[in-house]
Amino acid sequence: KNQVEQSPQSLIILEGKNCTLQCNYTVSPFSNLRWYKQDTGRGPVSLTIMTFSENTKSNGRYTATLDADTKQSSLHITASQLSDSASYICVVSPTFQGGSYIPTFGRGTSLIVHP
Amino acid sequence: NAGVTQTPKFQVLKTGQSMTLQCAQDMNHNSMYWYRQDPGMGLRLIYYSASEGTTDKGEVPNGYNVSRLNKREFSLRLESAAPSQTSVYFCASKTQGYDTKTQYFGPGTRLLVL
Repeated sequence: KNQVEQSPQSLIILEGKNCTLQCNYTVSPFSNLRWYKQDTGRGPVSLTIMTFSENTKSNGRYTATLDADTKQSSLHITASQLSDSASYICVVSPTFQGGSYIPTFGRGTSLIVHP
Repeated sequence: NAGVTQTPKFQVLKTGQSMTLQCAQDMNHNSMYWYRQDPGMGLRLIYYSASEGTTDKGEVPNGYNVSRLNKREFSLRLESAAPSQTSVYFCASKTQGYDTKTQYFGPGTRLLVL
């Protein structure tokens, strides 16, 4: 069964500090991995998308890494801001097979940035 | 561009009532999706439409029906609501289902079934 596990479940950091969120997956065959940011009461917003051949992708202060061999990804947030407080969701999609390409969502890491 | 819009934003139903959640996108996307999000769980795919005129079941389709009315609109219907369907429902769209382009989400519909 395809699974996506994220850690930690929740994280509290001080404004200005860096943090790293983890994502381990068992989805196979792998097509792409996405990180989303979801603010409370809003829909998820895409941060990064990586395919098998990419091992790092940046979007401003957000940098995602991918190790397709170990099936692990991380999202590093640099110089955190109060607006980074949100849930961060890792989503892994399989390749298109027989008309189906249902993505698997992780449960998310809840990040709180304190002033 | 409004992106992906959903109506209503909030809804309270009694067990057994029916309702339709509406979703529309103005990005000329081919693929549209309905998800539900429950506390402590990842988003789960209910139904999707890879292109206009097609719909397919996702992980948790039981108790739901969908209609791809046209390229812009994708509706989700609960024929006989149950308390287990209390959730936040998100509609999403992307260019094509199988590509690596961004999937855009709507703001969600919060549904409470009593």
